[in-house]
Amino acid sequence: EIVMTQSPATLSVSPGERATLSCRASQSVSSNLAWYQQKPGQAPRLLIYGASTRATGIPARFSGSGSGTEFTLTISSLQSEDFAVYYCQQYNNWPALTFGGGTKVEIK
Amino acid sequence: QVQLQESGPGLVKPSETLSLTCTVSGGSVSSGSYYWSWIRQPPGKGLEWIGYIYYSGSTNYNPSLKSRVTISVDTSKNQFSLKLSSVTAADTAVYYCARITLHNWNYVIDYWGQGTLVTVSS
Repeated sequence: EIVMTQSPATLSVSPGERATLSCRASQSVSSNLAWYQQKPGQAPRLLIYGASTRATGIPARFSGSGSGTEFTLTISSLQSEDFAVYYCQQYNNWPALTFGGGTKVEIK
Repeated sequence: QVQLQESGPGLVKPSETLSLTCTVSGGSVSSGSYYWSWIRQPPGKGLEWIGYIYYSGSTNYNPSLKSRVTISVDTSKNQFSLKLSSVTAADTAVYYCARITLHNWNYVIDYWGQGTLVTVSS
């Protein structure tokens, strides 16, 4: 099983600042990585796939990068609606999908 | 617009079988373009993939749950279902049904149900 590890567990950021979230895979997943945003009481929402491609309707302030085992999700200027939990997920080992433990982005 | 809606008991007794159904609207479970999946999230914790079913009936399950999971599809009702046997308190979670699409060689979870909380307790 490919283990996905996210850091930090919690990130405190002021509105308007940049947030950088990390995700590490226990073995290479190439670029087969997605990022999801989850707000309290809601289902996750797809943000990024293919490590760097924004899903339909996702604002340009969200960007993804990386390949192999190291990945980053960057939110360039945090808006109030961006405070949420973010999960990375690999699908390189399809059909076995695994998620990271999540990073909570909270207001500083 | 595709919508998925979970339904089923919110309380299940230990050792019994959890049964949930996902009703799909705005799309067809008979389409060969998608994989219909179940994902769960224990309270305050992260996401765990349970398994999926393809329109043909082929399935794939998380190895950690494989011995207890069955996912089936009913194309006449445009639904797919989850059964998880011999449940314990560790199976208490919000259960999501979701659609996985193969998009440019990427398997993306593009639609989710709202989720339903299932509590395992006597």
